[in-house]
Amino acid sequence: GNSVTQMEGPVTLSEEAFLTINCTYTATGYPSLFWYVQYPGEGLQLLLKATKADDKGSNKGFEATYRKETTSFHLEKGSVQVSDSAVYFCALRALSAGGGADGLTFGKGTHLIIQP
Amino acid sequence: ETGVTQTPRHLVMGMTNKKSLKCEQHLGHNAMYWYKQSAKKPLELMFVYSLEERVENNSVPSRFSPECPNSSHLFLHLHTLQPEDSALYLCASSQAFRGLGEAFFGQGTRLTVV
Repeated sequence: GNSVTQMEGPVTLSEEAFLTINCTYTATGYPSLFWYVQYPGEGLQLLLKATKADDKGSNKGFEATYRKETTSFHLEKGSVQVSDSAVYFCALRALSAGGGADGLTFGKGTHLIIQP
Repeated sequence: ETGVTQTPRHLVMGMTNKKSLKCEQHLGHNAMYWYKQSAKKPLELMFVYSLEERVENNSVPSRFSPECPNSSHLFLHLHTLQPEDSALYLCASSQAFRGLGEAFFGQGTRLTVV
């Protein structure tokens, strides 16, 4: 079956530090990969995505590259801000045996805390 | 604003009550989902509807009953719940059978069972 493994937090960094949140996956075929962010009291918001190998998704200073050879999709940001404090979820979507698309499979989420 | 609206945002119910959660999407999608988010647990996919037909039911107890009357609306009917059912219930929508695009989520309903 499909699965996503990501580092569990909390991850605590100082403002302007470099961020990496690791994500690896197992899936049949060639999945699409996503990072979602959840701010306190909110639902999940799509942060970025990549749909094929070597694609780089980017948004709001965050980046992640679809690495098929290592089955990874690590999230990075060069300089984090206090407002980036949230829970980050890595997710994938793959084709089911019937040919349609399954619902998203999520990692457990990484709680990121940025201190001023 | 993601185009997916859930009501109510908060719900407190007793174990003998019957209530319903509502989800509405304005994105023209044809697949809708219910997820359960509990503290310290991964997001759990509960139900998937595609073109108004249920295509997935991940061993969810029968006290949760979904309904999808059309491609824009999804309900989760609740009855005789247990305290461990307290969680954030998230609705999402996406295009199905047309590639592997992203899902868009509502704000969630925070459910407390007392």
